[in-house]
Amino acid sequence: EVQLVQSGAEVKKPGESLKISCEGSGYSFSTYWIGWVRQMPGKGLEWMGIIFPGDSDTRYSPSFQGLVTISADKSISTAYLQWSSLKASDTAMYYCARPRLPGIHNVFEVWGQGTMVTVSS
Amino acid sequence: QSALAQPASVSGSPGQSITISCTGTSSDVGTYNLVSWYQQHPGKAPRLMIYEVTKRPSGVSNRFSGSKSGNTASLTISGLQAEDEADYYCYSFVGSSTYVFGTGTKVTVL
Repeated sequence: EVQLVQSGAEVKKPGESLKISCEGSGYSFSTYWIGWVRQMPGKGLEWMGIIFPGDSDTRYSPSFQGLVTISADKSISTAYLQWSSLKASDTAMYYCARPRLPGIHNVFEVWGQGTMVTVSS
Repeated sequence: QSALAQPASVSGSPGQSITISCTGTSSDVGTYNLVSWYQQHPGKAPRLMIYEVTKRPSGVSNRFSGSKSGNTASLTISGLQAEDEADYYCYSFVGSSTYVFGTGTKVTVL
């Protein structure tokens, strides 16, 4: 079964760093792009960026460029989303997702269960 | 890149058909046939319903259909059922390997 399993909920203080993960299984992790999507409480979905684990080619939304870092370790089939200094406005649910087909990134078909990040002093 | 414009809410009675619009620009929806639609129930991850404007993934009811005209894509749900009550988001390629979601539409089954 193809699945993406994300790390658990996090509660952090402003200014702290954080790295959340997304582990893929049941498919060839290196050959599929992985994307990250933010959903702030009560709000809509926002595309953050994507990474190709095979060569770490990464693309960011202009809205998130420089604010987060997307990475992947293909040896353990895991993608990451990290912050160096969290803000209260980073409080949101974060989803990872995988496209339908290998090598292309035009539509997410497989989704992780989401990781809730709460940033509060 | 601004979010694609969707109506905040659409409602219909069981058995009726409803259509959700998704308006972009000539640089995104109008140029690429790479519009998808996602359904999201409260507290759940999104689910792909339509991709590449008109295609349905395996397992999605044929009551869901997609289309596009100019800069506007549409999702039609026919034979509306209680289980269709959810939020719906369109999604489009906008160039330079980046994408954008729509603002989201809450569908209510009366």
